[in-house]
Amino acid sequence: SAVISQKPSRDICQRGTSLTIQCQVDSQVTMMFWYRQQPGQSLTLIATANQGSEATYESGFVIDKFPISRPNLTFSTLTVSNMSPEDSSIYLCSVSTSGSYEQYFGPGTRLTVT
Amino acid sequence: EDQVTQSPEALRLQEGESSSLNCSYTVSGLRGLFWYRQDPGKGPEFLFTLYSAGEEKEKERLKATLTKKESFLHITAPKPEDSATYLCAVQAEDSNYQLIWGAGTKLIIKP
Repeated sequence: SAVISQKPSRDICQRGTSLTIQCQVDSQVTMMFWYRQQPGQSLTLIATANQGSEATYESGFVIDKFPISRPNLTFSTLTVSNMSPEDSSIYLCSVSTSGSYEQYFGPGTRLTVT
Repeated sequence: EDQVTQSPEALRLQEGESSSLNCSYTVSGLRGLFWYRQDPGKGPEFLFTLYSAGEEKEKERLKATLTKKESFLHITAPKPEDSATYLCAVQAEDSNYQLIWGAGTKLIIKP
């Protein structure tokens, strides 16, 4: 399985600012995903990021609020823009490799917006 | 509508007391069912993939089984280190790698 790292691991941000979360994989992967997990809740998919194409966003999530980059097969970023306290959550990156359907997750970024 | 329901929401067991977690699903054609373990403050850790009814997978004290409507995660003689939230997810045949997640079962094993 792929080894996935995320930066930062946690951050406390002020309302109205933006934070960019990085996801790095130790091998080339086909698909990368970004999730949000609010305390005590299950995972909610924000978007799917494929290299060389625009990210595909799920209902309720828009590119202006959560812009995503996928410059190569091992790296992606998620920006949380114009943050509000409702954006406080854990943000998770996951990957899926060609030929397998399971996803492997990074350690997550715990974001608190004050 | 595709959905996944896990039960119970929480389960407290004594060390060594075997039990099962349930994952019921409704999906228009199952591509795969996935079990994950999540420890507090960490990302989910992949455990098993099941593809067809009757399939079973084992790993240490865990055994996952699959029918056409549900999956069970059996825990045999659990230890305190098995305490975690166990998540179930399914992928439909017509999905673009997207997973439908259950809410999870929080398992607590008391020594």
